[in-house]
Amino acid sequence: GIQVEQSPPDLILQEGANSTLRCNFSDSVNNLQWFHQNPWGQLINLFYIPSGTKQNGRLSATTVATERYSLLYISSSQTTDSGVYFCAVDPPREAAGNKLTFGGGTRVLVKP
Amino acid sequence: DAGVTQSPTHLIKTRGQQVTLRCSPKSGHDTVSWYQQALGQGPQFIFQYYEEEERQRGNFPDRFSGHQFPNYSSELNVNALLLGDSALYLCASSKYPGGNSPLHFGNGTRLTVT
Repeated sequence: GIQVEQSPPDLILQEGANSTLRCNFSDSVNNLQWFHQNPWGQLINLFYIPSGTKQNGRLSATTVATERYSLLYISSSQTTDSGVYFCAVDPPREAAGNKLTFGGGTRVLVKP
Repeated sequence: DAGVTQSPTHLIKTRGQQVTLRCSPKSGHDTVSWYQQALGQGPQFIFQYYEEEERQRGNFPDRFSGHQFPNYSSELNVNALLLGDSALYLCASSKYPGGNSPLHFGNGTRLTVT
């Protein structure tokens, strides 16, 4: 099946710093989504981004489907940005979609 | 507008027992998927339900089964529990089955098997 690799595995930031998280995938995809899992386990959908660039406040994401990678940018990080960021992809298929394969995640800690 | 709701939040079971987890999708969503998340790992797809039928299945044994009701809510059943079934079980809903809409997750049910 498709392989999803995220880097770096761990990231420690000082509050106010900017950072870039990367997601590489091994095959073409039908869609790509970024999620944030907070320390209480809640998984929040950040972006649905099969291609192109999207922005939502201090977060933005870019997916270059032809080169099989996506980037998540965090600007002016805050302590509430701490948690694990997951990239998940849905390979194209004949049947129903949203059978997501998740990467291993990037664990982010933002220090005050 | 209620999001995805799951019950119970925590559950402790003994090896060999059976468990049922419940999920109500986000308002307006008709497709429900279940994921298992072991500690320190990303979620793994178990199966997906649409129009009360299992549409897709991940690499999980038949001990894992599910159901979707006419109101789109869903249940996950696990029989003959093993220690390795201890995990966070996440329910997710979406509007279309075709992967053309974002997935929204509930807060999960943490299952501990002793």
